[in-house]
Amino acid sequence: AQSVTQPDIHITVSEGASLELRCNYSYGATPYLFWYVQSPGQGLQLLLKYFSGDTLVQGIKGFEAEFKRSQSSFNLRKPSVHWSDAAEYFCAVCSGAGSYQLTFGKGTKLSVIP
Amino acid sequence: DAGVIQSPRHEVTEMGQEVTLRCKPISGHDYLFWYRQTMMRGLELLIYFNNNVPIDDSGMPEDRFSAKMPNASFSTLKIQPSEPRDSAVYFCASSPGRYNEKLFFGSGTQLSVL
Repeated sequence: AQSVTQPDIHITVSEGASLELRCNYSYGATPYLFWYVQSPGQGLQLLLKYFSGDTLVQGIKGFEAEFKRSQSSFNLRKPSVHWSDAAEYFCAVCSGAGSYQLTFGKGTKLSVIP
Repeated sequence: DAGVIQSPRHEVTEMGQEVTLRCKPISGHDYLFWYRQTMMRGLELLIYFNNNVPIDDSGMPEDRFSAKMPNASFSTLKIQPSEPRDSAVYFCASSPGRYNEKLFFGSGTQLSVL
């Protein structure tokens, strides 16, 4: 069965600092990987996704993520964090085209210090 | 487009009462999903529909839970009778043809069962 682990429950960074949120997945074949963001009181919004090809994926709001098969990781990065990035971030995995079972990690809450 | 619309935003009820959560997906989306979010278990897929037909309800926790989609623009999730352990945020999401392309989430219903 597929699974996702986000090791960090809560991260605090200063505004302008760089950010990396960790995500490790477990799946036998090449997974489809996603990062979603949830602002307080809101639903989830897709930041970026990886299906195949270039392992460095660009998303919205200046985020990027890198797929590393050898490490079973899909870490999310941003070079300079803004106060508006404070939210909860979810990594998710899907077993592939035609599969509708999206498995989410438990999420990482990001706090930003002005 | 107004996005996925859920109602109510908050629901407080007493144990044993019937609860009905409502969802209006984005027009033209063929897939509709119901998720439940709790601190302990994170985001869990309860059920999903394709063209108004339930495809996979294996995530529905008990027979107390039921979901319907009478037409392409409306779905309900019903809990009868409700229990305190049902307290959670329930999200509805919709997607165009291919599920793993993109999910659009509603803002959720915060359910509290006393």
